[in-house]
Amino acid sequence: DIQMTQSPASLSASLDEIVTITCQASLDIGNWLAWYQQKPGKSPQLLIYGATSLADGVPSRFSGSRSGTQYSLKISKLQVEDTGIYYCLQHYSAPYTFGAGTKLELK
Amino acid sequence: EIQLQESGPGLVKPSQSLSLTCSVTGYTITSGYDWSWIRKFPGNKMEWMGYISYSGSTNYNPSLKSRISITRDTSKNQFFLQLNSVTTEDTATYYCARGGYYDGYYGLFDYWGQGVMVTVSS
Repeated sequence: DIQMTQSPASLSASLDEIVTITCQASLDIGNWLAWYQQKPGKSPQLLIYGATSLADGVPSRFSGSRSGTQYSLKISKLQVEDTGIYYCLQHYSAPYTFGAGTKLELK
Repeated sequence: EIQLQESGPGLVKPSQSLSLTCSVTGYTITSGYDWSWIRKFPGNKMEWMGYISYSGSTNYNPSLKSRISITRDTSKNQFFLQLNSVTTEDTATYYCARGGYYDGYYGLFDYWGQGVMVTVSS
């Protein structure tokens, strides 16, 4: 199985701060990487696909990048509504695997 | 609008089988895509369990392969999860989801159900 090592596990940041979450893949997965946001009691929402492409309706303060097998999700100016748990997903090969999640809170 | 809705018992006894239904509206499951089951454990770990494709083929997570079955009823536009011989470690929130297709990337989950919490306990 492809392992996705996500960090940090939790993060506390202030309004308007820049936030970065990373995922390291254990193998080359190309751009077959998606990012999700999940709020309490809700299902995950797609933010980024193809490692760098913004999903429909997602604010432009979210962006994704890739350097080799390391992937990053950046929130350029943290807003109140951005709190939640963030996951990366590799869908390059089955079994598809998620990162362990990053819990983002407001300071 | 595409919608998925899980249903099934919220409590299952150890050693019994867990059975869930995903009802899909707004899209015919035989028209395209893969249709997956995913679960989220207490503590937030997410696990992809398997899918049934639009053609009816299945792909399961090897960690579950001996216990899992995903089937469908095309007349009702539903697909199903059966997980056998459950233990307390199968306590989780279970989601059904569509594996979408975006700019050449397929299999990423774009539509999800709201989730159903299943507790395994005697």
